[in-house]
Amino acid sequence: GIQVEQSPPDLILQEGANSTLRCNFSDSVNNLQWFHQNPWGQLINLFYIPSGTKQNGRLSATTVATERYSLLYISSSQTTDSGVYFCAVMFSSNTGKLIFGQGTTLQVKP
Amino acid sequence: DSGVTQTPKHLITATGQRVTLRCSPRSGDLSVYWYQQSLDQGLQFLIHYYNGEERAKGNILERFSAQQFPDLHSELNLSSLELGDSALYFCASSVRLDNSPLHFGNGTRLTVT
Repeated sequence: GIQVEQSPPDLILQEGANSTLRCNFSDSVNNLQWFHQNPWGQLINLFYIPSGTKQNGRLSATTVATERYSLLYISSSQTTDSGVYFCAVMFSSNTGKLIFGQGTTLQVKP
Repeated sequence: DSGVTQTPKHLITATGQRVTLRCSPRSGDLSVYWYQQSLDQGLQFLIHYYNGEERAKGNILERFSAQQFPDLHSELNLSSLELGDSALYFCASSVRLDNSPLHFGNGTRLTVT
């Protein structure tokens, strides 16, 4: 069936390290977004990126729609980067529904 | 601040009761989405409205209903509440129908006792 899979499920980093989070999806998409849920539960939109590459400060994202995956890069991680990172997709065959992956829980240690 | 307002922030109620959660989208946003986040279920899509019309429905229980009003605010009604309905309920809005960024409110934490 239609799926959104994120990896790894959990990640522990030392402050200053870099990381790559991955989102695989099972079908073509017309909408893909990355979110960060901070320890207080707030969901922050990081990128709207159905294709291509975007950068925002220490974060960047790439979506290769033809190969059905997206990557979120975090460079020089900081403790404030801790939280859960979600990928959410809207499949072209099922518009109107933005479906979330299970998330990657990131802990950045000082 | 995302510009999406959800009220109330916290709600504690008993099993069998009915509650209404309210969401005001960002100014100019026509789409409103509702999600449920439970500890063991992640973020589950409930329903999506666009400019007052239901656009898509997820695995929303029959005990739950929602609507979007002419002023674009939305309400999620939960009835015959069960312990398992305890969760964080999020509303999110976006400017267009399907292809624009989603912005989330801070959620309503519902506790059913």
